[in-house]
Amino acid sequence: EPEVTQTPSHQVTQMGQEVILRCVPISNHLYFYWYRQILGQKVEFLVSFYNNEISEKSEIFDDQFSVERPDGSNFTLKIRSTKLEDSAMYFCASARLRNNNEQFFGPGTRLTVL
Amino acid sequence: DAKTTQPNSMESNEEEPVHLPCNHSTISGTDYIHWYRQLPSQGPEYVIHGLTSNVNNRMASLAIAEDRKSSTLILHRATLRDAAVYYCILYNTDKLIFGTGTRLQVFP
Repeated sequence: EPEVTQTPSHQVTQMGQEVILRCVPISNHLYFYWYRQILGQKVEFLVSFYNNEISEKSEIFDDQFSVERPDGSNFTLKIRSTKLEDSAMYFCASARLRNNNEQFFGPGTRLTVL
Repeated sequence: DAKTTQPNSMESNEEEPVHLPCNHSTISGTDYIHWYRQLPSQGPEYVIHGLTSNVNNRMASLAIAEDRKSSTLILHRATLRDAAVYYCILYNTDKLIFGTGTRLQVFP
């Protein structure tokens, strides 16, 4: 069964450094998402992406964050200058259709900012 | 975004049915009712969704009240693997808004 994959599984970085989290969505999916979950808290929507453009973003997704799909298969989340409060699990998700369609989640990348 | 209310936790014994309730009194006509679950240390996983009619799939059943202000996720025979946090989500946009969900414990 096809699945969403994410790399790395765990990323440790120093505050102020840039990180890139990578995701490979399911191959025939057209809609892509990033969510995050701070330890012990709710899963929070960050951004949705379709047709090489951001469809929607949350208040969390400020200028320090960016997404791109550089090669038609990978979907990346970049945090330009990490802060301690960026430490969280980051989940990528993809969907074949938009709205009211099942989203398939990856296993997540645990980001630790020191 | 419309809100849902779920109990914080529930318990079940293995092989017994589990009924997980969700209240969504402010649901709008275009909101679909989605259920996801999150097993320990994993990403969320789709379970089932519906609009007005009851739905069944290989994982669970979804019973939707006639006025759509509440719904119930039914696991017909709980297994230890079903221990997870279950989220009831009203979905009519491009994003999933997760609440705190119901933590289901399953005892052998």
